[in-house]
Amino acid sequence: NAGVTQTPKFQVLKTGQSMTLQCAQDMNHEYMSWYRQDPGMGLRLIHYSVGAGITDQGEVPNGYNVSRSTTEDFPLRLLSAAPSQTSVYFCASSGKLAGARGANVLTFGAGSRLTVL
Amino acid sequence: DAKTTQPNSMESNEEEPVHLPCNHSTISGTDYIHWYRQLPSQGPEYVIHGLTSNVNNRMASLAIAEDRKSSTLILHRATLRDAAVYYCILRDVSGRGTSYDKVIFGPGTSLSVIP
Repeated sequence: NAGVTQTPKFQVLKTGQSMTLQCAQDMNHEYMSWYRQDPGMGLRLIHYSVGAGITDQGEVPNGYNVSRSTTEDFPLRLLSAAPSQTSVYFCASSGKLAGARGANVLTFGAGSRLTVL
Repeated sequence: DAKTTQPNSMESNEEEPVHLPCNHSTISGTDYIHWYRQLPSQGPEYVIHGLTSNVNNRMASLAIAEDRKSSTLILHRATLRDAAVYYCILRDVSGRGTSYDKVIFGPGTSLSVIP
């Protein structure tokens, strides 16, 4: 299994441009989420989804849109990129470990590094 | 939702045990304690989790206080590859609209391993 796949790995944008960060998981996980991580900082939750057709805001949702039309995919859209959105973005999905009772663990992608000039 | 508190940084000598503390004084009965770590330039990875009893796996051990208000991640013999940021989070499995869904990470503990 590939786990959580993020594309692209690197992207440079100019201020005002739009783009979509892709996230796909092949583990049939209901839960998916997006985080951003600025240099030397922890992870901040942008948006999350508990299933197809359901999304909700995290800690820092402004400037980002999401949708969840399928269980597998959870794209993150930047409609008008700003330099403040320069960051590393991580997608995560969540499902139960085999044999674990009642607890879901997060599986993260490798990250997408975005620079906005 | 209950929150966690961890030291910003810790140091350990190589091949010595490391005890990484986490305080969660407002933990609820349905909060699972999860630990993740993030190696340099990588995404976070799951380490271990528990509810009430101490837990062991191939990566680490998790010691949970009897009152569950704190926990300790134990790396039995630190190696240079264990240098990472370690995150302690709570995941409430009682239902929707809690930290079950809105999974918040704090700044974590940055562990340095000295050769």
